Order: sequence, then C-alpha cells, then structure tokens
Amino acid sequence: QSALTQPASVSGSPGQSITISCTGGGSDLGGPYHYVYWYQQYPGKAPKVILYEVDKRPSGVSNRFSGSKSGGTASLTISGLQAEDEAEYHCKAYTTNMTWVFGGGTKLTVL
Amino acid sequence: QVQLVQSGSELKKPGASVKVSCKASGYSFTTYAMNWVRQAPGQGLEWMGWINTNYGNPTYAQGFTGRFVFSLDTSVSTAYLEISGLKTEDTAVYYCARSWGAFDYWGQGALVTVSS
Repeated sequence: QSALTQPASVSGSPGQSITISCTGGGSDLGGPYHYVYWYQQYPGKAPKVILYEVDKRPSGVSNRFSGSKSGGTASLTISGLQAEDEAEYHCKAYTTNMTWVFGGGTKLTVL
Repeated sequence: QVQLVQSGSELKKPGASVKVSCKASGYSFTTYAMNWVRQAPGQGLEWMGWINTNYGNPTYAQGFTGRFVFSLDTSVSTAYLEISGLKTEDTAVYYCARSWGAFDYWGQGALVTVSS
C-alpha cells in the first residue's frame, strides 16, 4: 500500500487561508469509504486528530479547520491562518484491504 | 483522563531486539483497538498495524511482518511492540494510538535508535 500523496510544504501569511491536498487511489481515497482523517503534529510531539470522517471536528478543535473530499482527493483548509497553526499535517485514509494508510505529511509555515 | 504512556528511549545494536510498552489508563482497555505507528527521522507517519485488545489478534501492515510482534497484557492494560533482528533503518519514533476510526489518543512516542 503506497502512501497518500501530500505536498511537502505549504505556506501562508497570518489571516490567509491555505489548503493542503491529499491524493490517493482507487483502494483508499478513491474507494467507497468516507474514513478520511487529518492530524496536526508539532515537532517532537505526538499527532493530534483535527478532522475525522472527512469533515467532522472533534470537540475543542477550531472551526477554522475544515475538510472535504472529491473523488480520490481529500483537502484540509485552514482559514484565518495563525502562528500557532505552523505544524506538520498528515492525512490518513481507510483502504479496501481494511488497513490504514497515511500521507507523507505537509509542513505548514506561517510567514 | 485517558492516557497512553510509553516506555523510554532505547539504543540498540543491529541484530538485537527491543520491546516497547504502552500503558493505558482512564478508559476500559479492551474497548478500543490499539495501533502502532512508526515515524522515521524527518519522515511521515507509517501505520504498522493494530491489535484487537478484546481478542488479542494482531494485524500487520505490509512491510511489518516477520520481525514485528504486537502483544497485550490486559491485566495491566498494556500493549507491547517487539522488534527483533533490528536494522539501522528501524531507527524511528514508535507511537501507540487508541482508535475507533480516528486515532484519538496517542502515546508520547518511544525513540528506538539502532546503531553499531
């Protein structure tokens, strides 16, 4: 199972919006499931789930984070960018083999 | 509150074995699956597989069969990852993560360094 494809890095200025894409194939993001998750990870820390099942936010996660999915591509959008959003973002999807697969991770820099 | 506390960093020589523990507290241990995730230095997350904490049966991802073993001790709410025949490329942080779909709670990670 190959990793999902994410851009290595994205950047934006405070207050702007950015979108991180996550592209897969027919057995994962292009498959029948809506089990797409996004995780935020600060250096030296464990990841934290910020979106589940494509677009649902866990309690306590800012509504500046939103998600969507179209075909084989999922997207994470962060609006009103803040300095604290600077982190690594990882997508994760369920596959038709009943396994999980992560993306390669995207480093977000807030300029 | 839910916590997953992992064992500490390990420095091992190639060919040796290592066992990483993940002690859960704050919830019913057998209610949630336990996953293992690897993160090599400067790399992304890699799902290694999971273990059914109710029945103890493990499922290993491609690339993590043979040298990797997941196990449990439900009496102390602890999951284990054992890696045998260590290689330098096994150098990574290993996380345990509880799941119901989302990996909602993670251990703090255990750094395993393999070096001669």
